Amino acid sequence: GAVVSQHPSRVICKSGTSVKIECRSLDFQATTMFWYRQFPKKSLMLMATSNEGSKATYEQGVEKDKFLINHASLTLSTLTVTSAHPEDSSFYICSARVPLQGNSPLHFGNGTRLTVT
Amino acid sequence: DAKTTQPPSMDCAEGRAANLPCNHSTISGNEYVYWYRQIHSQGPQYIIHGLKNNETNEMASLIITEDRKSSTLILPHATLRDTAVYYCIVRPDSYGNKLVFGAGTILRVKS
Repeated sequence: GAVVSQHPSRVICKSGTSVKIECRSLDFQATTMFWYRQFPKKSLMLMATSNEGSKATYEQGVEKDKFLINHASLTLSTLTVTSAHPEDSSFYICSARVPLQGNSPLHFGNGTRLTVT
Repeated sequence: DAKTTQPPSMDCAEGRAANLPCNHSTISGNEYVYWYRQIHSQGPQYIIHGLKNNETNEMASLIITEDRKSSTLILPHATLRDTAVYYCIVRPDSYGNKLVFGAGTILRVKS
């Protein structure tokens, strides 16, 4: 079945630095990918929709200058957390759907645990 | 997206069927019912989805009421590895449409 891979699975960085998280669709091309974040014991919160070849669409309250999304190819979307602070520590998860199948399920990566010290 | 309502938690004995309910009384005609689960510290895993008819796959069965206002996910023989948060989500049939997660149901399978 369709596989979505995220890298890294875990990252620790110092406050003020930037961190890039990669999301790849391994066996299909995805014109749209979705980025979520999840705080401990909370549900997933959609951050943005990543569109190949165009700007991402951000959900209300998500800072687009802080969470930079690039979807440069049909199999890769990246999320960069710029000038990270401890409150950005969270579990970041990406997802994608096989195109041309409107009701096909979203496939999720295994997430990236970001810890900002 | 239509809102869903799920019980916050359920317990199930190992080997027994786990029946997880979901209410979606405002579901629209073109919205599918999706079920996902999330095991601790992993990304969500797709389980099953349906529109009107009952569905079954190797993981579970999905029973949707005739009026489509509620559904039940059935894990026929729950194991300890089925302990997870289960999310019921309704979503229109469109490639670009996002999934919005609610709080889900914490299912605890006990030996």
